[in-house]
Amino acid sequence: KNQVEQSPQSLIILEGKNCTLQCNYTVSPFSNLRWYKQDTGRGPVSLTIMTFSENTKSNGRYTATLDADTKQSSLHITASQLSDSASYICVVTPYNTDKLIFGTGTRLQVFP
Amino acid sequence: GAGVSQTPSNKVTEKGKYVELRCDPISGHTALYWYRQSLGQGPEFLIYFQGTGAADDSGLPNDRFFAVRPEGSVSTLKIQRTERGDSAVYLCASSPGGVGSYNEQFFGPGTRLTVL
Repeated sequence: KNQVEQSPQSLIILEGKNCTLQCNYTVSPFSNLRWYKQDTGRGPVSLTIMTFSENTKSNGRYTATLDADTKQSSLHITASQLSDSASYICVVTPYNTDKLIFGTGTRLQVFP
Repeated sequence: GAGVSQTPSNKVTEKGKYVELRCDPISGHTALYWYRQSLGQGPEFLIYFQGTGAADDSGLPNDRFFAVRPEGSVSTLKIQRTERGDSAVYLCASSPGGVGSYNEQFFGPGTRLTVL
């Protein structure tokens, strides 16, 4: 069983709409939780990093939330743009290591 | 350059051959990481270095895989007797700090390895 699971696997939305991506993890204890954006054929790019004690972190139109009690995180994208089309990957860092554990990602497609 | 670079961008080889993949981290970054990403999956950890030493190599799948970072900067991932199952994108990342710190990892574009 994957230690970091994401849903949905894929999502199609219209430009301008909002969406929320989900992440459930079992990694415990952990240092931080990250959301990455990965364009096709490119390496992942960090969007947000939250420590275990943080509940929310924003980066422009991206807002991540974290509930360490239920081991859930979400990434909310506001007013989507065509350039938001990419895979979004939830990543958890176990305590006292830099060995990132990646989810399988949500493939987002934004259509005009 | 400002970012992590990887060469080659694409590598096609035949089953049984030896390959080397290179990573140039961001200047001054002490930590360097290798990941492998299969189609439709998230990256999987292979190994990471603090300086010249491998701090954790627990993700290397078997002894055909080996990585070095002799001078604490450039790293080479070496794969012997390649198999078709080794086909994947190999990603490299670097970060400025050490274990357990709140460090962002900056990724390169990856090397796409295809074993025929």
